Amino acid sequence: NAGVTQTPKFQVLKTGQSMTLQCAQDMNHNSMYWYRQDPGMGLRLIYYSASEGTTDKGEVPNGYNVSRLNKREFSLRLESAAPSQTSVYFCASRGRRQSNEKLFFGSGTQLSVL
Amino acid sequence: SQELEQSPQSLIVQEGKNLTINCTSSKTLYGLYWYKQKYGEGLIFLMMLQKGGEEKSHEKITAKLDEKKQQSSLHITASQPSHAGTYLCGASEGGSGSRLTFGEGTQLTVNP
Repeated sequence: NAGVTQTPKFQVLKTGQSMTLQCAQDMNHNSMYWYRQDPGMGLRLIYYSASEGTTDKGEVPNGYNVSRLNKREFSLRLESAAPSQTSVYFCASRGRRQSNEKLFFGSGTQLSVL
Repeated sequence: SQELEQSPQSLIVQEGKNLTINCTSSKTLYGLYWYKQKYGEGLIFLMMLQKGGEEKSHEKITAKLDEKKQQSSLHITASQPSHAGTYLCGASEGGSGSRLTFGEGTQLTVNP
């Protein structure tokens, strides 16, 4: 049981380049989330998806786009990377068996934009 | 939107001492999560609280959610170096499918 899988684990981009961070969960969860974590800071919500086909903005959505491709996958796209987007990105998911289930996290993607 | 404030931002204690970390919300909490993170690593789930007045314990860590469901505290008894790390509280603004945001974290150092 893999849980939440993120790829890649590390990435270096040049300013202006684009890339997509991939996230997949195998727990049949409805809700999925993308967070960023800057050094010494907490997690800031970028986008989330309550269910397949829906996405909503979080606290810091500017410069990002997301796609909930199906129930398993939720991708995060940087169209034109900026140094301010250098961060560690975490994907997470949770189910709906109870109104508030445990949030499962991926292992993170360390992104550097030069 | 919901804002979570953690206090203190950082804490240095001597091994063996007790400590408390607080998490205060600007809105009613529908679900409160506590996670721990070692430097440069992923997030470790500690506890989740849902009901006002609820209290949960795991080993030497106890978390409570107050009756009005706007504040939670995390208490560590007889701290050890293994407790060092960043503690993050996260909260849901409603039922499943709602936003889930986090506080800025509390960095704990435990000196031997």
